[in-house]
Amino acid sequence: GQQVMQIPQYQHVQEGEDFTTYCNSSTTLSNIQWYKQRPGGHPVFLIQLVKSGEVKKQKRLTFQFGEAKKNSSLHITATQTTDVGTYFCAGLSNRDDKIIFGKGTRLHILP
Amino acid sequence: DGGITQSPKYLFRKEGQNVTLSCEQNLNHDAMYWYRQDPGQGLRLIYYSQIVNDFQKGDIAEGYSVSREKKESFPLTVTSAQKNPTAFYLCASSIVIGDPSNEQFFGPGTRLTVL
Repeated sequence: GQQVMQIPQYQHVQEGEDFTTYCNSSTTLSNIQWYKQRPGGHPVFLIQLVKSGEVKKQKRLTFQFGEAKKNSSLHITATQTTDVGTYFCAGLSNRDDKIIFGKGTRLHILP
Repeated sequence: DGGITQSPKYLFRKEGQNVTLSCEQNLNHDAMYWYRQDPGQGLRLIYYSQIVNDFQKGDIAEGYSVSREKKESFPLTVTSAQKNPTAFYLCASSIVIGDPSNEQFFGPGTRLTVL
């Protein structure tokens, strides 16, 4: 079946270091979304990428969508304690319009 | 004040009992979803609905049932047939499934514990 793999599962970084999470799909995606879930909270939409090779920035966050529309990454520059949480990618399959979530990357910041 | 609500936040039930989780949205969204979240498992789709009186099974529908009698409401029943019901349940809605601008809005979730 269709899968969206996300790595790493966990990441501990020192405050101020950079962080990257990667998402890989077994099939081509129509778009990919990224969500953030704070500890004890619910997922909140961050951004959506639609075009092949698209790059979008939100302050210290940089999102990329691969040329083949099968992979994506989220990079955070100079992490802060407010970045703590689990980051999920969610791909929209171009076969059946189903949304498939990755398992998430839990980011922990060491002060 | 638009949004999506779930109640209750915490729910305890005895094994063998059916339980219904509430999900309401006033965003006028067509699509609604139910996800189950377990530690390290991400979000797994249980059921989704694109329109009133219609719904589709997701990846882990066994032991669950839903209804969509009103656009605003999408209750989930966890039946006694669900072998491992203890989990965090998230409801979400979006404008339309398959629309490129289909950002999902999530409710605060219900944490169900079956004793």
